[in-house]
Amino acid sequence: GENVEQHPSTLSVQEGDSAVIKCTYSDSASNYFPWYKQELGKRPQLIIDIRSNVGEKKDQRIAVTLNKTAKHFSLHITETQPEDSAVYFCAARSNFGNEKLTFGTGTRLTIIP
Amino acid sequence: DGGITQSPKYLFRKEGQNVTLSCEQNLNHDAMYWYRQDPGQGLRLIYYSQIVNDFQKGDIAEGYSVSREKKESFPLTVTSAQKNPTAFYLCASSMVGKTNEKLFFGSGTQLSVL
Repeated sequence: GENVEQHPSTLSVQEGDSAVIKCTYSDSASNYFPWYKQELGKRPQLIIDIRSNVGEKKDQRIAVTLNKTAKHFSLHITETQPEDSAVYFCAARSNFGNEKLTFGTGTRLTIIP
Repeated sequence: DGGITQSPKYLFRKEGQNVTLSCEQNLNHDAMYWYRQDPGQGLRLIYYSQIVNDFQKGDIAEGYSVSREKKESFPLTVTSAQKNPTAFYLCASSMVGKTNEKLFFGSGTQLSVL
């Protein structure tokens, strides 16, 4: 089955700087890669996703890049703000239609004011 | 936040006891999921269901059971066979199909052992 590795497990950046979180996946058949954000005490929420037919997707200050050959994808947050502090999870899903997402172990991002 | 409701928010289990966590959704979603969240281990899939009266084991199904008698409901039972049940449990739902993969999560249940 799919295995997703996520790094780093913790990340601290100065407010205004950029943050990058990286994930690798094992199943070359995976074709859908979402990122979820979980603020303290709250439920995870989807912030951005990418499919295997594109290499990059942006939404305001966040972007995701995908390298299918290397089987890795990354989340980029620019101009970080205190409200970006949260745990971020990457995930991958195979295209065999079983609707099952495999999550990474999470990155706790702390924005230092 | 609405749409998917978990109860209770906190639950305590005595040794040898089975406990059931409730998950209800009014989003008309076909698929429902149960995840277990432990510190440093991310979200691990316990069971999932894509249609009423059918469900599949996830990656850590041992010691758990589920049912899907109604589209809106997907209760999870933590049995006495689960030796390390203390964790935060998240229920989620989604549409089925390539363009509808977004998971909607409930607010979670924290299960602790007495």
